[in-house]
Amino acid sequence: EDKVVQSPLSLVVHEGDTVTLNCSYEVTNFRSLLWYKQEKKAPTFLFMLTSSGIEKKSGRLSSILDKKELFSILNITATQTGDSAIYLCAPNRAGTALIFGKGTTLSVSS
Amino acid sequence: KAGVTQTPRYLIKTRGQQVTLSCSPISGHRSVSWYQQTPGQGLQFLFEYFSETQRNKGNFPGRFSGRQFSNSRSEMNVSTLELGDSALYLCASSLGTGFYGYTFGSGTRLTVV
Repeated sequence: EDKVVQSPLSLVVHEGDTVTLNCSYEVTNFRSLLWYKQEKKAPTFLFMLTSSGIEKKSGRLSSILDKKELFSILNITATQTGDSAIYLCAPNRAGTALIFGKGTTLSVSS
Repeated sequence: KAGVTQTPRYLIKTRGQQVTLSCSPISGHRSVSWYQQTPGQGLQFLFEYFSETQRNKGNFPGRFSGRQFSNSRSEMNVSTLELGDSALYLCASSLGTGFYGYTFGSGTRLTVV
């Protein structure tokens, strides 16, 4: 059975801290891995990772995939209160829908 | 272009009733997936439709059903509602699977009393 495990499940940090969120997966027909940020309702797309070892960056966020060890990390540097959200990872498999981990709830205090 | 539209945004129903939720995908997207989100459980996959055919189904009871129309709009139906069905129901649309991103709607918040 395909599974996705995210850790930690929740995290509380102060503004300015750097955080690392983890996502490990065991799935069949893996093609890519997606990261989403969910603040209120709709998860919003952050990254799609398809190749191992190639870091993707967007501002203070970055992410990397290791297809050999079956995990991905999402880094957020110099956190701000606006980064408070649930962060979701989802392996993208051929021929079937996304499955998600339980997410990491990040709370950034000022 | 317009995003994924889900209606209604909020719904309150009584145990035993049934409910129908609607999802209009991004124009050109033929894949629509449905998810149930409850605190502590994350997003759990309900089913996925592609070109009016259900391609995959999650581990939910038969009370949960869905369909997709020729214009790619999708509906999901929950019959004989239970208190545990209270959740945020999200749909996502995509061009396909594997190397395509998914865009989510804002969801329907269902409360069963």
